[in-house]
Amino acid sequence: AQSVTQLGSHVSVSEGALVLLRCNYSSSVPPYLFWYVQYPNQGLQLLLKYTSAATLVKGINGFEAEFKKSETSFHLTKPSAHMSDAAEYFCAVTYTGANSKLTFGKGITLSVRP
Amino acid sequence: GAGVSQTPSNKVTEKGKYVELRCDPISGHTALYWYRQSLGQGPEFLIYFQGTGAADDSGLPNDRFFAVRPEGSVSTLKIQRTERGDSAVYLCASSARGGGADTQYFGPGTRLTVL
Repeated sequence: AQSVTQLGSHVSVSEGALVLLRCNYSSSVPPYLFWYVQYPNQGLQLLLKYTSAATLVKGINGFEAEFKKSETSFHLTKPSAHMSDAAEYFCAVTYTGANSKLTFGKGITLSVRP
Repeated sequence: GAGVSQTPSNKVTEKGKYVELRCDPISGHTALYWYRQSLGQGPEFLIYFQGTGAADDSGLPNDRFFAVRPEGSVSTLKIQRTERGDSAVYLCASSARGGGADTQYFGPGTRLTVL
C-alpha cells in the first residue's frame, strides 16, 4: 500500500525567505510523485511531478522538488517566498498499475508574513 | 481551453435525501476520477472511469454511493440516503489517458452539506 506523510499542518515564513515543505512517501514499487497547490475556493493545481526522469523537478511559480529514494522523500522548496504563495499544499503518490489513483497527504497550509 | 467543471458548487440537503453531483471533464480526456475531501484532510479516492466503465471503484465507502459516465464524458456521482458524515467537498479530476504519471486536472469541487 502506498502512503504519504506531510509533517506539520502549518508552516509560516517571512516574505523573501526559503520555503521548505516536507513530504515522505511509502511505496513498495517505484512511485510517481506530485505536488498540488490549493488556493481558497479553488481546485487543486499541479505544481510539479516526478515521473522517474530527472530527480530534481522544476515546477511553476519558482517551486522545485527533489526525489530522494534513499530518504523516501520529495520535499518542495522555493528560494524566496512571495505573499501570493500563501495556500494549502498537497503531496500525492501513485504508481504504475494503481489506475493512477492518487494517494494524498493531509496537506500543509503555508502562510507568508510581510 | 475549458477546464474541469463541477455543478453545483454548493449543495445543502437534509439527512436521508438523494443528491447528484455533476462533473464535466476536459474535452477528449478518457480518464475521470472522483475524490472526497473532508475538512482538514487531503482528497481521498472514490472511483476511476476509463471511458464509460468504472475501472476502479474501490474507494466508494458503501453502496449508498454510485457513479456513472454513460457516454464517456460527463459523470454523475449519486448519493442515496445521505448522512451527516457525507458532508465534504467532492472533487472531480480528468486526465488524457489515465495511465501511470498522467497529470490529473481538478475541478473546483462541490461542497456538500448534509443537515
